[in-house]
Amino acid sequence: GESVGLHLPTLSVQEGDNSIINCAYSNSASDYFIWYKQESGKGPQFIIDIRSNMDKRQGQRVTVLLNKTVKHLSLQIAATQPGDSAVYFCAETISGGSNYKLTFGKGTLLTVNP
Amino acid sequence: NAGVTQTPKFRILKIGQSMTLQCTQDMNHNYMYWYRQDPGMGLKLIYYSVGAGITDKGEVPNGYNVSRSTTEDFPLRLELAAPSQTSVYFCASSSRDSGEKLFFGSGTQLSVL
Repeated sequence: GESVGLHLPTLSVQEGDNSIINCAYSNSASDYFIWYKQESGKGPQFIIDIRSNMDKRQGQRVTVLLNKTVKHLSLQIAATQPGDSAVYFCAETISGGSNYKLTFGKGTLLTVNP
Repeated sequence: NAGVTQTPKFRILKIGQSMTLQCTQDMNHNYMYWYRQDPGMGLKLIYYSVGAGITDKGEVPNGYNVSRSTTEDFPLRLELAAPSQTSVYFCASSSRDSGEKLFFGSGTQLSVL
């Protein structure tokens, strides 16, 4: 069945450093991937997405890399700030369906030390 | 624009009690979802709806019921609450335009004791 997992459950970085959060997926049919950020006591918020016809996509301070060969996804955060401290989830789906269901990974807790 | 609003934020239930978790969205989204999040875990889909009058089971539907009488509202009903239903519940919505980009509410923390 489908599964989305993370290599590291926790990540601690110094303010100003770059952060890399990894995610492995097992459903080779998945063609759309999303990263969500969840701050304590809040619901997940969309960060960035990528489709399987791309291997890299950049946003503001964030970059998502997709390696379809090894079914691996990563989120890079540049110049990490204390406000980036949160749990980060990757999610996968097969796009173009009728219900837009997402399968979520377990999440990685990012802690930014001042 | 409030987005997705969930009530209550916190609730403690006794085993066997029932309750309804409310969810409403003001973005005119067709699709709505209920997820549960257990500590240290990802989100599991309970039920979803692709439009008013249409609902379908997700990954973990047992012990729950939903209805979708309007586009805006998607309540989740717990009958005969059990300790295994202790979790944080998130409602989300999306549209054909936003596609797979779900917009989440702030969650309901439920404890069943």
